[in-house]
Amino acid sequence: GQQVMQIPQYQHVQEGEDFTTYCNSSTTLSNIQWYKQRPGGHPVFLIQLVKSGEVKKQKRLTFQFGEAKKNSSLHITATQTTDVGTYFCAGLGSEKLVFGKGTKLTVNP
Amino acid sequence: DAGITQSPRHKVTETGTPVTLRCHQTENHRYMYWYRQDPGHGLRLIHYSYGVKDTDKGEVSDGYSVSRSKTEDFLLTLESATSSQTSVYFCAIMGTNTGELFFGEGSRLTVL
Repeated sequence: GQQVMQIPQYQHVQEGEDFTTYCNSSTTLSNIQWYKQRPGGHPVFLIQLVKSGEVKKQKRLTFQFGEAKKNSSLHITATQTTDVGTYFCAGLGSEKLVFGKGTKLTVNP
Repeated sequence: DAGITQSPRHKVTETGTPVTLRCHQTENHRYMYWYRQDPGHGLRLIHYSYGVKDTDKGEVSDGYSVSRSKTEDFLLTLESATSSQTSVYFCAIMGTNTGELFFGEGSRLTVL
């Protein structure tokens, strides 16, 4: 079945450093979504990418969808302590939305 | 917020007892989901519903059943809880615009 791999599993950075998490699907995706979960909280939708090669920005966050629609990345520029949490990608294949296992980001002030 | 409430938010129970988690939404969304979240496994789909009395299995449905007799309520039942079902359970609804999911606050279940 469809699988979505996400790396790295953990990432620790100093405040001000950049951060990137990557998502790879075993099958071509219709779209990919990104969520953020703060410690002790619930996942919150960030963005959806639909088009091949699409790039979207939200302030310091940049989201990319690969040309083949099988991979995606989230890049945070100059991390802040408010960025801590776990970032999940979720890919929509033929039927269901499949989540990656997430990347847990910690930021040292 | 998306008007989703889960109950109970915390529950401790013993192996072999039945447990029902409730998800209630106020916005008449068609699609509702139950996920479980465990360290190292991310979010895994248990069951979902695409309408009243219309449900289907997800990737980890064994040991779980669901019911949806009203649009606003989606119930998840563990007929006989086991320690492997200790987890945080999230209910979610699908938004009508772009298919994004809105999650409830979660229900932490501990099976002793």
